[in-house]
Amino acid sequence: QVQLVESGGGLVKPGGSLRLSCSASGFIFSDYYMYWIRQAPGKGLEWVSHISNSAPTIYYADSVKGRFTISRDNAENSLYLQMNSLRAEDTAVYYCATDCLNSICYWGQGTLVTVSS
Amino acid sequence: EIVLTQSPATLSLSPGERATLSCRASQSVSSFLVWYQQKPGQAPRLLIYDASNRAPGIPARFSGSGSGTDFTLTISSLEPEDFAVYYCQQRSNWPELTFGGGTKVEIK
Repeated sequence: QVQLVESGGGLVKPGGSLRLSCSASGFIFSDYYMYWIRQAPGKGLEWVSHISNSAPTIYYADSVKGRFTISRDNAENSLYLQMNSLRAEDTAVYYCATDCLNSICYWGQGTLVTVSS
Repeated sequence: EIVLTQSPATLSLSPGERATLSCRASQSVSSFLVWYQQKPGQAPRLLIYDASNRAPGIPARFSGSGSGTDFTLTISSLEPEDFAVYYCQQRSNWPELTFGGGTKVEIK
């Protein structure tokens, strides 16, 4: 079955950097668009970024543009999010997810990023 | 940016009752509207895509309707496991995706 496992979250100071990883299994990773979606504590869902399956086309929310970089390694079935210049408002659970059925159809369990001094 | 407004914010109902959740878009999203369910401490789960199509494995008590700017998620008879937060999401304005603020369905 489809499995998405995020890692790399933790506590970081404002202005710091963090790299999130997502390991995928149970499907042909290279066939699918992939997403990062985040959810601040007690809040709703926010799209962060997504990347096409190959010769990648990349998109970012305005809130992270210029600070975050999404990438993927199809040989390693892995998705990444490099986060720089982190702010308190970036504190959230970050979910890795796949695109299918004109929706976001499979989600990982998320990794918590806390930006605090 | 397309804004999605969900109402009510909280719906208090008893098991067996019918739940009707609304999602209104600030401009037409055609039928590019998706519904998710999220339980505490869990990732969201896809329920409905393209406004009215149930995702694989989703029980028939869940149904979606609407097009343009007004959409409804209906749970015909609430089961104990249906008490959760529900989000709508649009992809009409691709590549920008937006979510509604959510409706919490709680036990009365």
